[in-house]
Amino acid sequence: NAGVTQTPKFQVLKTGQSMTLQCAQDMNHEYMSWYRQDPGMGLRLIHYSVGAGITDQGEVPNGYNVSRSTTEDFPLRLLSAAPSQTSVYFCASRSTGTSEETQYFGPGTRLLVL
Amino acid sequence: GDSVTQMEGPVTLSEEACLTINCTYTATGYPSLFWYVQYPGEGLQLLLKATKADDKGSNKGFEATYRKETTSFHLEKGSVQVSDSAVYFCALSDRTGRRALTFGSGTRLQVQP
Repeated sequence: NAGVTQTPKFQVLKTGQSMTLQCAQDMNHEYMSWYRQDPGMGLRLIHYSVGAGITDQGEVPNGYNVSRSTTEDFPLRLLSAAPSQTSVYFCASRSTGTSEETQYFGPGTRLLVL
Repeated sequence: GDSVTQMEGPVTLSEEACLTINCTYTATGYPSLFWYVQYPGEGLQLLLKATKADDKGSNKGFEATYRKETTSFHLEKGSVQVSDSAVYFCALSDRTGRRALTFGSGTRLQVQP
């Protein structure tokens, strides 16, 4: 199993540009989520999904869109990038059918917005 | 809302020293508690977890006990190695539909030979 994969690893954008951060998992997990990591602030939840076709907002959703058309994929879209979105983005997944609560994280995407 | 407070870093220790990283939490209900570790340039990996009061999680020589009376989940290791140098995050998982993790700000550990 590859686990949770993310692409790209690193991206530089100009203010106003759009892009999609890709996330995929091969563990058949229903639950997927996106976090951003900023210095001194830990990780904060952006959006999450409890299954295909179902998404909801987390703690810091503004400026980001998500969709979940398949169980495996959960892309994060930046419609008009801003310097405040410079961060490291992590995707995570977990099973919801059992008592197992462990979330599995991807390797992250480092985003720089100029 | 839920919150997690960790001791500020960085923590610098010599090899074979004892480690304690403090973590306290505020939550409604009875969350599960986790320690995640992030090695340089990598994503987060689960280090250990505890799902109910008085449970002790352990892995790779690290331990943490879920203390409901003090709302704490301190991370301990008796003898650290250079390879333990990383950032450690305490987190809790709510048991609502959101099933999200709430993280502390992280504590960087630097172990010197």
